[in-house]
Parts: sequence; C-alpha cells; structure tokens
Amino acid sequence: DAKTTQPTSMDCAEGRAANLPCNHSTISGNEYVYWYRQIHSQGPQYIIHGLKNNETNEMASLIITEDRKSSTLILPHATLRDTAVYYCIVIGSGGSNYKLTFGKGTLLTVNP
Amino acid sequence: EPEVTQTPSHQVTQMGQEVILRCVPISNHLYFYWYRQILGQKVEFLVSFYNNEISEKSEIFDDQFSVERPDGSNFTLKIRSTKLEDSAMYFCASSEILGVRLFFGSGTQLSVL
Repeated sequence: DAKTTQPTSMDCAEGRAANLPCNHSTISGNEYVYWYRQIHSQGPQYIIHGLKNNETNEMASLIITEDRKSSTLILPHATLRDTAVYYCIVIGSGGSNYKLTFGKGTLLTVNP
Repeated sequence: EPEVTQTPSHQVTQMGQEVILRCVPISNHLYFYWYRQILGQKVEFLVSFYNNEISEKSEIFDDQFSVERPDGSNFTLKIRSTKLEDSAMYFCASSEILGVRLFFGSGTQLSVL
C-alpha cells in the first residue's frame, strides 16, 4: 500500500473550514484515498473516499490533485465535535490490499 | 444511522484467563473485522472474516486468538489465555463490500492484570 504523510496536528477555529492535507506520492492507479477519524476513546469513523474525482458528502469534501499525489479533506464548518485524529489511508481494491493501515494521523483541534 | 455494537465496553481479566469479546455487526453487512489499539499506539488490523471463514489475519492474530460467528448475528473474538500485552481497546467493524466504508463499534477496553 502507498504510504501517506500527514501533519501531526492542526488547529481550526469553530465555524471555519478545516483543510487537512495528505501526501501519497507513491499511490498507484487502482488505489483509493480514504479518510477516517477517531474521536477520543471511540472507534474510527468513515468520512469519505475517492479515486481521482473530487467527492463530497454530508460530512466533508475530498479534493484530490490531478496527479493524485496529494489530497485535502475539507470540513466546511468545523464544530467542537470535529476535534479528533484524522487518518488518510490509501487502499487498493481487491486482493489483500483492503486492510486499513492506520498511521498516526492528524490531530485536529477545533477551538471555540 | 445503523451501528455496530460491542459488549462489554470494559473487561478486566486475570492473566491466563480466557475472554470473549462480542460484536453485533450491521445486519446486511457481509464482511467482519477485528482491530485493536494499545493505549497511545496506532489502530492495528487483527483479522477479517467472510462467509464463516477467516479471510486474512495479521501476525498479531496467533493461535491464542479465534473468531466465530455463532448464530448469524453475533461476531466474537476469543483470546484463550490472555497475556499482559493483550491489554488494549478492541474494535469490531463490518462492511457491505470488502474493505469499503467500514463501520466500527465503540470498542471493548480489555485490561489484563
């Protein structure tokens, strides 16, 4: 699986957009970019995933660069409840590449 | 939103004892997983399960571990003879499609004394 690089921590003001970057320069053509988050002491929560097109759902938007070597997760209006560790994970489809390999992620702190 | 439920939320056991952690996956999901997280460390894959068989397991998942879907709704993780280093938060997860959009439970905190 492609390795990802994320900042260790970020801060965001409540109500503002939170933009979380992820580098995955070794991603291959059939690998997807997934984002999960883990609020303290809870199980990981799926947020969004994409292959090459930008994606949006009720939780967030995912912007993937044209070369697919990096992506940004956008939480449009961050709330205090969005404080969590955010994981960017690259996974292949099929075979044995489906396992989520969690790194250290980015600790996003949303401040009042 | 549907959810994965895990019981108990906390389990304390003596070293060498057997423990069974229980999970009820989302009803229409076909793929089931166990992950664990030792305090302060990363979330780690243990095992995946499909069609009443283990699909894949990590090197952590040794002979002391087993999984079972005993009745079509529950999914269990058994540790036969617990060790101190088995102390961790254990997360169950399920999905409709292999590896896609996993739903995680809130975990069982296992403490081995």
